[in-house]
Amino acid sequence: AQSVTQLGSHVSVSEGALVLLRCNYSSSVPPYLFWYVQYPNQGLQLLLKYTSAATLVKGINGFEAEFKKSETSFHLTKPSAHMSDAAEYFCAVTGDDGTSYGKLTFGQGTILTVHP
Amino acid sequence: DADVTQTPRNRITKTGKRIMLECSQTKGHDRMYWYRQDPGLGLRLIYYSFDVKDINKGEISDGYSVSRQAQAKFSLSLESAIPNQTALYFCATSDGGFREQYFGPGTRLTVT
Repeated sequence: AQSVTQLGSHVSVSEGALVLLRCNYSSSVPPYLFWYVQYPNQGLQLLLKYTSAATLVKGINGFEAEFKKSETSFHLTKPSAHMSDAAEYFCAVTGDDGTSYGKLTFGQGTILTVHP
Repeated sequence: DADVTQTPRNRITKTGKRIMLECSQTKGHDRMYWYRQDPGLGLRLIYYSFDVKDINKGEISDGYSVSRQAQAKFSLSLESAIPNQTALYFCATSDGGFREQYFGPGTRLTVT
């Protein structure tokens, strides 16, 4: 079975500061990892994905994430936060272990607040 | 127009009532999913369908049923709604096992 843990249900940063949202996963097979963002009253939108190519993945809106197999992590970063980044962020995993194929397992979510 | 649409967007219903949530997509994807979102729990899979004749239970299917009327349509039913089914429900689609999923705008359901 696969699982995802997002450390910190709430993260608060100042505008212009570094954003770091943490995601650790558990998987018995090579994982495919995703970060989604949910703005208020909207559905989820894909930020970026890792599919076993480059370990450093660049996404939309200046976000990037690095896959670290040894640490089973896929943390999301952005060098400089903008007010418009305030949203809830979800990390998700899938992989071909027979039962998880085609299904995403989501973390609990992290709400990002950006202060002026 | 949105690629994945959900109706209704908001619904308030009473305990014991039957309710159907509908999802339509224009992306041409074979795979469709229903999730519920609860604060602090992320999204949990209720049912999923890899094609019109393939329906599978997710991790929290008790109290729910689904119907895949066509490639583009996937409905979720609550046969007898109860208050702990109050949540935000999302439909999603995908065109492959390891591909990203595309989400609808969600249906906010309140059961009183």
